[in-house]
Amino acid sequence: NAGVMQNPRHLVRRRGQEARLRCSPMKGHSHVYWYRQLPEEGLKFMVYLQKENIIDESGMPKERFSAEFPKEGPSILRIQQVVRGDSAAYFCASSLTGMGVGSPLHFGNGTRLTVT
Amino acid sequence: TQLLEQSPQFLSIQEGENLTVYCNSSSVFSSLQWYRQEPGEGPVLLVTVVTGGEVKKLKRLTFQFGDARKDSSLHITAAQPGDTGLYLCAGWGGANNLFFGTGTRLTVIP
Repeated sequence: NAGVMQNPRHLVRRRGQEARLRCSPMKGHSHVYWYRQLPEEGLKFMVYLQKENIIDESGMPKERFSAEFPKEGPSILRIQQVVRGDSAAYFCASSLTGMGVGSPLHFGNGTRLTVT
Repeated sequence: TQLLEQSPQFLSIQEGENLTVYCNSSSVFSSLQWYRQEPGEGPVLLVTVVTGGEVKKLKRLTFQFGDARKDSSLHITAAQPGDTGLYLCAGWGGANNLFFGTGTRLTVIP
């Protein structure tokens, strides 16, 4: 887990503000995935990115949410105009190659977003 | 829509007891993984099962993949307090994402 770094660990935002969540993948990993988890629930897929490309964003709401993974720097999950329902733990994972048995996901410790 | 149902949702047992948790789906998965997640942390991969009928052992944990690759089970022998956590199964069904189950929260009481 220590390999994938997420920050901040905790983020408090008021309704209407923007939330920016950062994820630095494990060294050498070029595939990044974002998941969302509500208390006592499993993880829900949001988006899968490879360097500079969004591969699959089928789990991400069309409005207010965006993600990027630039050539340099961490992956960013941005939530604009946050609402209380956005409160959750957001996990990032990385892998060496794309989805598949031979390339397990390594998860960070998450960012817990609280919207007041 | 692929759905991975885990049962039981919550399980509280005494140290030393055995237990089995289940992961079921109506969909076929090319492989299934089991993760354990502790409070405040991300999930950690325990095992990947690929072949229908496959059994894998990890110390006191035994994982089985159903013959039809639609279900899996995790059996823990002589549970210890360190086994406490949220157990998640996850699978790829051909899509670009790893699909997670609903989770089983295990508490082992000393």
